[in-house]
Amino acid sequence: DSGVTQTPKHLITATGQRVTLRCSPRSGDLSVYWYQQSLDQGLQFLIQYYNGEERAKGNILERFSAQQFPDLHSELNLSSLELGDSALYFCASSPTSASSYEQYFGPGTRLTVT
Amino acid sequence: AQSVAQPEDQVNVAEGNPLTVKCTYSVSGNPYLFWYVQYPNRGLQFLLKYITGDNLVKGSYGFEAEFNKSQTSFHLKKPSALVSDSALYFCAVREPDSWGKLQFGAGTQVVVTP
Repeated sequence: DSGVTQTPKHLITATGQRVTLRCSPRSGDLSVYWYQQSLDQGLQFLIQYYNGEERAKGNILERFSAQQFPDLHSELNLSSLELGDSALYFCASSPTSASSYEQYFGPGTRLTVT
Repeated sequence: AQSVAQPEDQVNVAEGNPLTVKCTYSVSGNPYLFWYVQYPNRGLQFLLKYITGDNLVKGSYGFEAEFNKSQTSFHLKKPSALVSDSALYFCAVREPDSWGKLQFGAGTQVVVTP
């Protein structure tokens, strides 16, 4: 158990809908990262927050947004969902944003868009 | 731009035999390199990392990896594979002083047969 928690574990929704994925980082970790894992794209970095502020953006669609709250938990919002958004979404955390630190991953949220 | 290549989709090895999973990278400057393992329906687990120093790094569960700067490689090794090592292995790279982004390889499925 990495100490990173994600809810829900599974989510099934229809195209056009909006969902929110939640992540709680390890105790004391200030940095939160979101990744998407799909069969065709592999593991893709989406976005990073550090102590409430956005720090880096990857291949994140405009329909997706995220935020990190004062208690350091983070939410990833996915809107106008399409079939291709079906994937496993991971949250990871690390103590700082320093590049040398490893990231610890949560168990993921499996999103299925029908 | 940073990139990672894992040239083998799958590696098959008999239990007790040495296991090697290959990884090559491309970054500007000195890389930070990581190995993660993913078991079915689980998140990624950190195995080991190379930041600086000794080219041979030791990690969890008896795994080690050798950093080779001239060949831009970071191969994962285990002297004696176990059936329980069967999983999906990811190599990842990060540029120093970069915010966040871990660039993952496509993953290598390891199958250890009894």
